[in-house]
Amino acid sequence: DIQMTQSPSSLSASVGDRVTITCRASQSISSFLNWYQQKLGKAPNLLIYAASSLQSGVPPRFSGNGSGTDFTLTISSLQPEDFATYYCQKSNSIPHTFGQGTNLEIK
Amino acid sequence: QVQLVQSGAEVKKPGSSVKVSCKASGGTFGSYGISWVRQAPGQGLEWMGEIIPIFGTANYAQNFQGRVTITTDESTSTSYMELSSLRSEDTAVYYCARQEVADALDIWGQGTMVTVSS
Repeated sequence: DIQMTQSPSSLSASVGDRVTITCRASQSISSFLNWYQQKLGKAPNLLIYAASSLQSGVPPRFSGNGSGTDFTLTISSLQPEDFATYYCQKSNSIPHTFGQGTNLEIK
Repeated sequence: QVQLVQSGAEVKKPGSSVKVSCKASGGTFGSYGISWVRQAPGQGLEWMGEIIPIFGTANYAQNFQGRVTITTDESTSTSYMELSSLRSEDTAVYYCARQEVADALDIWGQGTMVTVSS
């Protein structure tokens, strides 16, 4: 199975910062990469699908990039509501594995 | 707008089975697939499997092969996930989610807590 590795596992940042989270696949997954945000006690929320397409209703400060094996999620200017855990997920083939998550904390 | 409404929390004994339901409210599954994902306490997301209701075909992650069965009842727009031979490590919140473009999960159920304890 293809493995998904996110980095960093945790990140401290301040409101207004620009942050980037990386997701690496152990083999090429083309552009079949999705990003989710999860807040404590809640279901995940889709942010980006197909590597770079912004899900309807998601603020444009979120952006995704990449193809093949290397992908990034960037938040251009952190807002207080962005402090959460972020997951990538591959969806090119079964299984649709998630990365281990990146916990974004307030500095 | 379709919502996915899951059944309530369950407490099960080791070795038993659990069946969690996921009903589409305000619409139907249509041509969309349904994935099941679980999250153990304090842990990350784990994809378990999917079903494509119009085809009735299910695919499962290797970790769950032989223990999980995902089905749908199109007449009630309900998907079910049954997990057997439960052990304490299966204690988790179980989510269903709709697969949309590129199989991204755009609508999620509220989650069902399953506790396995003797």
